[in-house]
Amino acid sequence: DAGVIQSPRHEVTEMGQEVTLRCKPISGHNSLFWYRQTMMRGLELLIYFNNNVPIDDSGMPEDRFSAKMPNASFSTLKIQPSEPRDSAVYFCASSLNSLGGELFFGEGSRLTVL
Amino acid sequence: GESVGLHLPTLSVQEGDNSIINCAYSNSASDYFIWYKQESGKGPQFIIDIRSNMDKRQGQRVTVLLNKTVKHLSLQIAATQPGDSAVYFCAENSYTGRRALTFGSGTRLQVQP
Repeated sequence: DAGVIQSPRHEVTEMGQEVTLRCKPISGHNSLFWYRQTMMRGLELLIYFNNNVPIDDSGMPEDRFSAKMPNASFSTLKIQPSEPRDSAVYFCASSLNSLGGELFFGEGSRLTVL
Repeated sequence: GESVGLHLPTLSVQEGDNSIINCAYSNSASDYFIWYKQESGKGPQFIIDIRSNMDKRQGQRVTVLLNKTVKHLSLQIAATQPGDSAVYFCAENSYTGRRALTFGSGTRLQVQP
């Protein structure tokens, strides 16, 4: 399997622009997670899905952030409008066993908002 | 490389020595723990896990120790190699619970040749 695939790997945008990050989980995994990593806060959970249904989005910073999982093989994380403080590395991860098992991470999407 | 690192505690060891990385957790309800390794420019990668009904688990060159009494987890790496240089995170959750993995702040391991 190719593992969790994220795109884009790098994105530089200007404040106020819309950003869409994409993720393809490992085939057969039923849970998908979005994490954000910064120097100050480390790895923070933003939202996770189980069987394509959002279970916990309490980590989503504010209404500017939204995530969708229209099917088992695709998820998006959208920021609109983006702000400089959103600059971070965004990771998608998937797992087979919902909450209790190993997470497999993608390579991350590095976002820079100018 | 990834942004995590400038403010992380750092452990520097000589190649061939053993390394011990420590982690304290706060949630007494946690019963499942994982160590992840993150190399520069990559996502975290699973190393080893342990459930709370165990206090020790061994893998290839790695051993995880769990002390539930003091809520402490450690990762021991035997015969540390330059390829072990990375940031190491402990993560915890409840295996039967409904929350996702919570990650610690990480420790940077630097292996000197």
